[in-house]
Amino acid sequence: DVKVTQSSRYLVKRTGEKVFLECVQDMDHENMFWYRQDPGLGLRLIYFSYDVKMKEKGDIPEGYSVSREKKERFSLILESASTNQTSMYLCASSITMGTGGNQPQHFGDGTRLSIL
Amino acid sequence: DAKTTQPNSMESNEEEPVHLPCNHSTISGTDYIHWYRQLPSQGPEYVIHGLTSNVNNRMASLAIAEDRKSSTLILHRATLRDAAVYYCILRDIYAGGTSYGKLTFGQGTILTVHP
Repeated sequence: DVKVTQSSRYLVKRTGEKVFLECVQDMDHENMFWYRQDPGLGLRLIYFSYDVKMKEKGDIPEGYSVSREKKERFSLILESASTNQTSMYLCASSITMGTGGNQPQHFGDGTRLSIL
Repeated sequence: DAKTTQPNSMESNEEEPVHLPCNHSTISGTDYIHWYRQLPSQGPEYVIHGLTSNVNNRMASLAIAEDRKSSTLILHRATLRDAAVYYCILRDIYAGGTSYGKLTFGQGTILTVHP
């Protein structure tokens, strides 16, 4: 089975801090994603990456950046954390999208981030 | 992505079959039907997907109507561990561009399983 591991289940940070969320997958997947999930808003895509050092903005990239130096690792960076970034953050991976709609995504258990 | 409609909640008893419906009347010919579920305090979990024919895997079965305007996720024997929010999603086989691979979850169906 695919294993997607997020470094922390719970994280508390202060406004203005630089925050790093780490995600590692063990199935040699080309594609990795960062979402946030908020009540009533569902899942929203922040960034995704389809190869090492490649990244694309999702729907809500403002205030975030990402890094993918190795195929198995995808990091989400909150440059200067703000209270409206308090959320559940979910990382996912999938195999390459020759026909994108057919590829399932495999999720980690999420990081519940609180910004005080 | 085309829209799906699911009941807000359903209840079942343990060890009974559960049929979770999903309506997708505006589905296009290139849309796959995907199901995910999310257990409390966990990330979403892929369950099953299909295009036209019924599909079975170790977790569930997916029954797709002949006109593809509806589908049903079948859990053959519900357990307490199946209590979750179940999401039915349509994904274009050629998903690309700015929606490249993005998953869009609706409200889903909250499944409660009684002992």
